[in-house]
Amino acid sequence: AQSVTQLDSQVPVFEEAPVELRCNYSSSVSVYLFWYVQYPNQGLQLLLKYLSGSTLVKGINGFEAEFNKSQTSFHLRKPSVHISDTAEYFCAVSLTNDYKLSFGAGTTVTVRA
Amino acid sequence: EAQVTQNPRYLITVTGKKLTVTCSQNMNHEYMSWYRQDPGLGLRQIYYSMNVEVTDKGDVPEGYKVSRKEKRNFPLILESPSPNQTSLYFCASSVSGTETQYFGPGTRLLVL
Repeated sequence: AQSVTQLDSQVPVFEEAPVELRCNYSSSVSVYLFWYVQYPNQGLQLLLKYLSGSTLVKGINGFEAEFNKSQTSFHLRKPSVHISDTAEYFCAVSLTNDYKLSFGAGTTVTVRA
Repeated sequence: EAQVTQNPRYLITVTGKKLTVTCSQNMNHEYMSWYRQDPGLGLRQIYYSMNVEVTDKGDVPEGYKVSRKEKRNFPLILESPSPNQTSLYFCASSVSGTETQYFGPGTRLLVL
């Protein structure tokens, strides 16, 4: 079975500074990888996903992530954050031959002026 | 408007009183899923369904039942709720299990 570890539970960051959210997964077979964002009191929405192909994936709102198979990581980055990026971010993984989706515990990003 | 709807949005109940949380999607998606969200644990998958009459267990299925009699609906049933099922529940749907999942607004459940 697959599992996901988000290495930081809370990330405070100043506006216009860069941010990186770390995600590691464990699986012995091929996986699909996702980052979702949850704004306060809302459901989740997809930021980006990796299914195959280029290991650098660009998503919405200026976010990008890089799939590193050798390090089993899928870290999320944004070069310059805004106050509106304050939210909880979830990394998720599914096996390519299965449809169970496993989420990490989440990283809360708080952007301060 | 393409959406996933859940009802009710908030529910307070007592131990042992059967309840159903409904989920409906209008996007003709084949895949639907239920999650619970608890602080510090992220989202954990309860059950999922690949299509009508096809369901399978997620990571935390104990104490829950589901059915998929129609493509658009995927109700979550708690036959005998217990306090440890107090949580925030999300329904989601997608074209297939590997595609983007669209989430409902959530149902906050308190079991006393």
